[in-house]
Amino acid sequence: KAGVTQTPRYLIKTRGQQVTLSCSPISGHRSVSWYQQTPGQGLQFLFEYFSETQRNKGNFPGRFSGRQFSNSRSEMNVSTLELGDSALYLCASSLVDRFSPLHFGNGTRLTVT
Amino acid sequence: DAKTTQPPSMDCAEGRAANLPCNHSTISGNEYVYWYRQIHSQGPQYIIHGLKNNETNEMASLIITEDRKSSTLILPHATLRDTAVYYCIDRTRGGGADGLTFGKGTHLIIQP
Repeated sequence: KAGVTQTPRYLIKTRGQQVTLSCSPISGHRSVSWYQQTPGQGLQFLFEYFSETQRNKGNFPGRFSGRQFSNSRSEMNVSTLELGDSALYLCASSLVDRFSPLHFGNGTRLTVT
Repeated sequence: DAKTTQPPSMDCAEGRAANLPCNHSTISGNEYVYWYRQIHSQGPQYIIHGLKNNETNEMASLIITEDRKSSTLILPHATLRDTAVYYCIDRTRGGGADGLTFGKGTHLIIQP
C-alpha cells in the first residue's frame, strides 16, 4: 500500500508570496492533518480535516489555511509568506478511529527568502 | 509542551537490543502511549502504541509499567538504519491529531 505522498518535496519562495502544498493520504484514510516542523519549535499542529471539514485547528494565524477534497486529498495554503514560515511541512493521514496511528509523509521543505 | 520525558541521546551497538525509556508521569487512564521515530529529512514514522498491556509488532516491543507512569521501547536487534530521533508521546485531548505533542525525543545512535 502506498504511503502518504506530499508534493512538492522542496520549494523556495520570497516574502509576500503565497504557496500551496499538496498531500495524498494512504488509500482508505479519511483524516488528514498538517504539521509544521522547525528546529526551534519542533513539531506543531496546524489543522486536521475529516470528510472535507476542518475538525481541529492549531494556534496559527489566518494566513495558514487548508482544505480537503472528496477523495480525501488535502491542500494547505500559506499566504503573504514571512521568513519565519520557512519549515518542513508534514502531512499525516489516519483511519477514522480516534486512536488510529497517524502515518506521515516525508514533507515539503519550504524556504522563504 | 510535551508531557513526556526522554533522555536526549543514547548509543547502542549494532546487533544489540536498544532500550529507550520514557517517563509519562501525568498520563491519564484513557491516554495511549505512542512511539514514533524520525530519520533525518524524513517524516515521523509510526512504530507502536499501547494502553496498558505490553505490545509487540514487527518493528519493536513496548513495555508499559503497571502504574503506566513509564514505558520502554525495545528494538531487539538494532541496525545502523535504526539511527534516528525517537519520540514517546501520550495522546491527549480526545485523541485527535491535535493531541500529538512531540517533545525533543531521544537521538539514538547505533554504533557499528
